[in-house]
Amino acid sequence: DIVMTQSPDSLAVSLGERATINCRSGQSVLYSSSNQNYLAWYQQKPGQPPKLLISWASTREPGVPDRFSGSGSGTDFTLTISSLQAEDVALYFCQQYYSSPITFGQGTRLEIK
Amino acid sequence: EAQLEESGGGLVQPGRSLRLSCAASGFTFENYAMHWVRQAPGKGLEWVSGISWNSNDIGYADSVKGRFTISRDNAKNSLYLQMNSLRAEDTALYYCAKGGTPYYSPMAVWGQGTTVTVSS
Repeated sequence: DIVMTQSPDSLAVSLGERATINCRSGQSVLYSSSNQNYLAWYQQKPGQPPKLLISWASTREPGVPDRFSGSGSGTDFTLTISSLQAEDVALYFCQQYYSSPITFGQGTRLEIK
Repeated sequence: EAQLEESGGGLVQPGRSLRLSCAASGFTFENYAMHWVRQAPGKGLEWVSGISWNSNDIGYADSVKGRFTISRDNAKNSLYLQMNSLRAEDTALYYCAKGGTPYYSPMAVWGQGTTVTVSS
């Protein structure tokens, strides 16, 4: 199984400041023949289902604000929120869909400082 | 607009069975892989099972292998999860999620979930 480890577990950032969440996979999730990373980021607000923000490590979903960006390749990935807004308070999860079983990181709780 | 609606959750005693359903609408169900993902109270996300568009590829988490069975009926736009030999640790909110046409794809649409509580 591919273990996904996020850091930090929780994060407090001031409004308008940058928030950075890291995710490391236990093995590479880069599919060499397509040069695609099988890595997604999800946002979950209280009482709501997860929402897909970023797929293929860096492709923003339609409707997701451009302050959200994903980067990284292989085993190390980052979700960056360039200017934190109040509505960004949530849990964030990374996920690998490279192989079965599909696995998620433990989650990072993002709060306002 | 793609939508998913889960049903079938409830309170069940340990060792008993439960069948979850997920009704899909707003997209061509038969073209997409589908998944079940669960979230225990106050915990993170755990992938439970997935099934490809044609049911040729099926996967399970080790924690449910041999006890849970995923299936789909493309004619009814429906996904199912048969859960047998339920344990207290299966207590969670169970989400149905839409994958992509390849089995290994991100989950772009999620339902609101159905709650399963396993307790005597």
